[in-house]
Amino acid sequence: AQSVTQPDIHITVSEGASLELRCNYSYGATPYLFWYVQSPGQGLQLLLKYFSGDTLVQGIKGFEAEFKRSQSSFNLRKPSVHWSDAAEYFCAVDGAQKLVFGQGTRLTINP
Amino acid sequence: DTGVSQNPRHKITKRGQNVTFRCDPISEHNRLYWYRQTLGQGPEFLTYFQNEAQLEKSRLLSDRFSAERPKGSFSTLEIQRTEQGDSAMYLCASSLEGSVSYEQYFGPGTRLTVT
Repeated sequence: AQSVTQPDIHITVSEGASLELRCNYSYGATPYLFWYVQSPGQGLQLLLKYFSGDTLVQGIKGFEAEFKRSQSSFNLRKPSVHWSDAAEYFCAVDGAQKLVFGQGTRLTINP
Repeated sequence: DTGVSQNPRHKITKRGQNVTFRCDPISEHNRLYWYRQTLGQGPEFLTYFQNEAQLEKSRLLSDRFSAERPKGSFSTLEIQRTEQGDSAMYLCASSLEGSVSYEQYFGPGTRLTVT
């Protein structure tokens, strides 16, 4: 069965610092991978997705992610975080018509 | 495109009562999904529809839960005889089958508290 692991439950970074959120997946075939962001009281917003092709994908709000098949990883990065990036981030894999999510990483930004 | 809407946004109910939630997907989307999210966890799949047909149900969806999408537009999720363990955020999402982007658009969710 498909699964997603986000090893970091909570990360704190300073505003302006770089960010990397980790995601590892388990899937038998070529996965479709997603990163979503959830702000308090809001629904999930898609940041970026990987289907095939270039393993470095660009998303909204200055985020990017790199698919590494050999490591079964799809880590999310941002070169310089803003206070408005504080939120919960979820990695997900397409599990045959439905999304399988990791447990999320809560991002706190220090001023 | 007005986005996915869900009503109510919050529901507080007593154990044993029945509750019903509504989801209105993006108008041209033929797929509709329900997920449940408990505190500190990622969303978990419950069920999905293609048009009015319910194509898959998770084993999380006990017999107290029922979902419908009678005309292939809005959907309802009913929980009968609610239990405290049903307290969660219930998320609805929609997508367009066959679209290149295969993106699920999520609504704001309905937060259920069972007392």
